Amino acid sequence: DTGVSQNPRHKITKRGQNVTFRCDPISEHNRLYWYRQTLGQGPEFLTYFQNEAQLEKSRLLSDRFSAERPKGSFSTLEIQRTEQGDSAMYLCASSSHLRAGVLSGANVLTFGAGSRLTVL
Amino acid sequence: DAKTTQPNSMESNEEEPVHLPCNHSTISGTDYIHWYRQLPSQGPEYVIHGLTSNVNNRMASLAIAEDRKSSTLILHRATLRDAAVYYCILRDVTNDYKLSFGAGTTVTVRA
Repeated sequence: DTGVSQNPRHKITKRGQNVTFRCDPISEHNRLYWYRQTLGQGPEFLTYFQNEAQLEKSRLLSDRFSAERPKGSFSTLEIQRTEQGDSAMYLCASSSHLRAGVLSGANVLTFGAGSRLTVL
Repeated sequence: DAKTTQPNSMESNEEEPVHLPCNHSTISGTDYIHWYRQLPSQGPEYVIHGLTSNVNNRMASLAIAEDRKSSTLILHRATLRDAAVYYCILRDVTNDYKLSFGAGTTVTVRA
């Protein structure tokens, strides 16, 4: 396994266009996360999946954003009608979550290299 | 989310130790202290985590104050490859899906 893979690495688009990013997590990881990072800031949580279920969405995730993880493996993040403010690095991460009822302080996230979006 | 406070930047010379402080005065009993770092043009990577006791791994050491209101990440011998942004994050074990990143500390290593 080569880690978390994200595609495309760079995307330049015009305002109003739709874009889609793909994330392939580490195969045995059941959790998948999306984060957004703008220049000079730390990553911000957008949403996460446990298997195929989307369990939490940040208020940052407007109606123009949609994420899916149809078979509990890869995930896509789609942005419709892009705006210049959407320009950012979109990071995907995955982790292996223990069974329900078992608490662990570990739950280490493995991040991909990110997909950089530039909206002109 | 519990907050952490880190210096904006630190400089070090190659082969010397680096001590990165983090204040987390509002830490709760279910918060673990996690450190991640982000090298240029890469996603963040896990460095170390701890709860109460000091921790060591191949990358770094984590020293946690007795009252848990502060911690220090120690890079024993900085190399040029350690130049990165280092993030100190509190992770609630009962709500562990979210990592809340701050702005982190930018570490510069001089050759």
